[in-house]
Amino acid sequence: NAGVTQTPKFQVLKTGQSMTLQCAQDMNHNSMYWYRQDPGMGLRLIYYSASEGTTDKGEVPNGYNVSRLNKREFSLRLESAAPSQTSVYFCASIVSQVMNTEAFFGQGTRLTVV
Amino acid sequence: QKEVEQNSGPLSVPEGAIASLNCTYSDRGSQSFFWYRQYSGKSPELIMFIYSNGDKEDGRFTAQLNKASQYVSLLIRDSQPSDSATYLCAVNGGANTGNQFYFGTGTSLTVIP
Repeated sequence: NAGVTQTPKFQVLKTGQSMTLQCAQDMNHNSMYWYRQDPGMGLRLIYYSASEGTTDKGEVPNGYNVSRLNKREFSLRLESAAPSQTSVYFCASIVSQVMNTEAFFGQGTRLTVV
Repeated sequence: QKEVEQNSGPLSVPEGAIASLNCTYSDRGSQSFFWYRQYSGKSPELIMFIYSNGDKEDGRFTAQLNKASQYVSLLIRDSQPSDSATYLCAVNGGANTGNQFYFGTGTSLTVIP
């Protein structure tokens, strides 16, 4: 019962490097989300995909791109990493039914940009 | 911008006491409300959700919702050291927002043995 799986768990990048964070869910949820979590800032939404084939910007999208590859997978790409993107990144998938909405989180990716 | 406000704490309570965590939200149209627990270095995990005004109890946890005051709280009875964590209040924006979850910054709770 994997739920939401994120890779990698840890990553160190140099400024200007690029990378893709991978996320996959096996719960057949339509909606998937990428958050970043910084001390004192809580969880902030970067991008989300309400359904396969659609993506939308969240609160802090600058410097990121996303791809909803299929219903299971939602990736986050940093094209040119900056120190300000040092953070913990969480992928989440959300089930939304009448009186039953819940967000399930992956284990997180700790990214350091030096 | 939909805002969710929490006291950052830290909140310290002795073992066996009641811990009270509070949250306010700005969007009066919000329909569903959640409390997540997050241990250091781990991902958030759902404790409780509540949709209707009033209280909802689950074991040692009670969520309280007052939509008129735009206020949600979480009470933890008989607090245990294992309850020491950061508690995140979240509000679901509904289908019009793509079912986005809006999170508070979290309240750090320490239960002292």
